[in-house]
Amino acid sequence: TQLLEQSPQFLSIQEGENLTVYCNSSSVFSSLQWYRQEPGEGPVLLVTVVTGGEVKKLKRLTFQFGDARKDSSLHITAAQPGDTGLYLCAGAWGGGADGLTFGKGTHLIIQP
Amino acid sequence: KAGVTQTPRYLIKTRGQQVTLSCSPISGHRSVSWYQQTPGQGLQFLFEYFSETQRNKGNFPGRFSGRQFSNSRSEMNVSTLELGDSALYLCASSPRMEVTEAFFGQGTRLTVV
Repeated sequence: TQLLEQSPQFLSIQEGENLTVYCNSSSVFSSLQWYRQEPGEGPVLLVTVVTGGEVKKLKRLTFQFGDARKDSSLHITAAQPGDTGLYLCAGAWGGGADGLTFGKGTHLIIQP
Repeated sequence: KAGVTQTPRYLIKTRGQQVTLSCSPISGHRSVSWYQQTPGQGLQFLFEYFSETQRNKGNFPGRFSGRQFSNSRSEMNVSTLELGDSALYLCASSPRMEVTEAFFGQGTRLTVV
C-alpha cells in the first residue's frame, strides 16, 4: 500500500506571510496532483506534475516535484485569507492504473 | 461544461438502514471513483468504475457496493448502516481509464444516527 505523508498537518499564519507545505512518499509517483478543499465542498484540482524536477506556478502558488518523483512541495507567497482551506496531495502510481492515493492534507488558516 | 453532480447533498439515516448515493460525471468522462472522507482518516478510496466495470476497490467491507450505468452515471450503496459510516462521500470523474486527475463533485454528507 503506497502512503503519502503531508506536513504540517495544521498551519495558521498571518496574511502576507509565506509558507511551504510538503508531500512525501517512499514510492515513485508517475504523477502527482495538488487539490484545495473548502469546508462542505469537494476538492478542486490545482495542478498536476509529471516530470521529476518540474516547477509549476499558479499566481502566488508554486508547485515543485522532486527530482526522484517521491516528493512534492507547495509554496504560497504573500498568503491571503482566501487561501484558507485544506490542501491535499494525491499520487498516481503505474500510470494511474490503480487510481489515486490521497494524503491526509494540510489545514491552512490565513488570518487577516 | 457542467461539473460532477452528486445527489442528494445531505442525508440523515438510522443505523441498520441502507442508502443509495448518485453521481453524474462530467460529460465525456467514463471513469468514476468514489471516496469516503472523515476527519480522522482523510480521503479513502472506495472503488473506481470505467465503462460499467469495477476496476479497483478499496479496503472497505462488502456493505459498500457500487455500479456504473451505460451513460457513465454511477451509484453507490451502503447497506446495514453503522454510526461510523457517517462521512462526506465524494464522487470524482476522470476522462481516461488511467486516473491521473480527478474532478470532484460537492459530495453527499451522510449522517447515521
